[in-house]
Amino acid sequence: GESVGLHLPTLSVQEGDNSIINCAYSNSASDYFIWYKQESGKGPQFIIDIRSNMDKRQGQRVTVLLNKTVKHLSLQIAATQPGDSAVYFCAEVRGWGKLQFGAGTQVVVTP
Amino acid sequence: EAGVTQFPSHSVIEKGQTVTLRCDPISGHDNLYWYRRVMGKEIKFLLHFVKESKQDESGMPNNRFLAERTGGTYSTLKVQPAELEDSGVYFCASSQDLRGGTQYFGPGTRLTVL
Repeated sequence: GESVGLHLPTLSVQEGDNSIINCAYSNSASDYFIWYKQESGKGPQFIIDIRSNMDKRQGQRVTVLLNKTVKHLSLQIAATQPGDSAVYFCAEVRGWGKLQFGAGTQVVVTP
Repeated sequence: EAGVTQFPSHSVIEKGQTVTLRCDPISGHDNLYWYRRVMGKEIKFLLHFVKESKQDESGMPNNRFLAERTGGTYSTLKVQPAELEDSGVYFCASSQDLRGGTQYFGPGTRLTVL
């Protein structure tokens, strides 16, 4: 798959448990963040976004938390399912929309 | 509605050869972005088109890379001559909003330079 050769941090989670994926960002002036999910052989897929005037945003089974003080984002996935197995990236939106991606976290859901 | 498509899905070439990657954005999306992930590294921005104009090409690694978007529809990314370190996955994304908004990614082109 596309991740061959990459040594990503891995989060192993049991099906049905909650997952928490963390991300640190570098630019204190960043005001828009997006979480992407990438499955093997596919491009990154939008999950949820958050702007800096918020500290929490919820979607379907996902919640993003933003802590601007320590420049930290997290993505929480409730009741993790096998289909959630993928690489998850946080991204800062810079300038005219260009994305600065984090390194990614591999989530492996075990039965 | 068709998503972002990229061609080819895989390309294997020898060092010194030329390769051209193509991206077809979602119809009506003025913004088109190229990114790449080389082995062991994170996904990195290459450049951004607004219609046929280059808005930001700050991520282009060197002058062996040439991107075009004639007519403001599909885009091509040519690597000439290819080097070993160009191997990786090249992604294209498009969006409707100028300041990013939701960028929709294509499946990527895996480029292997031998």
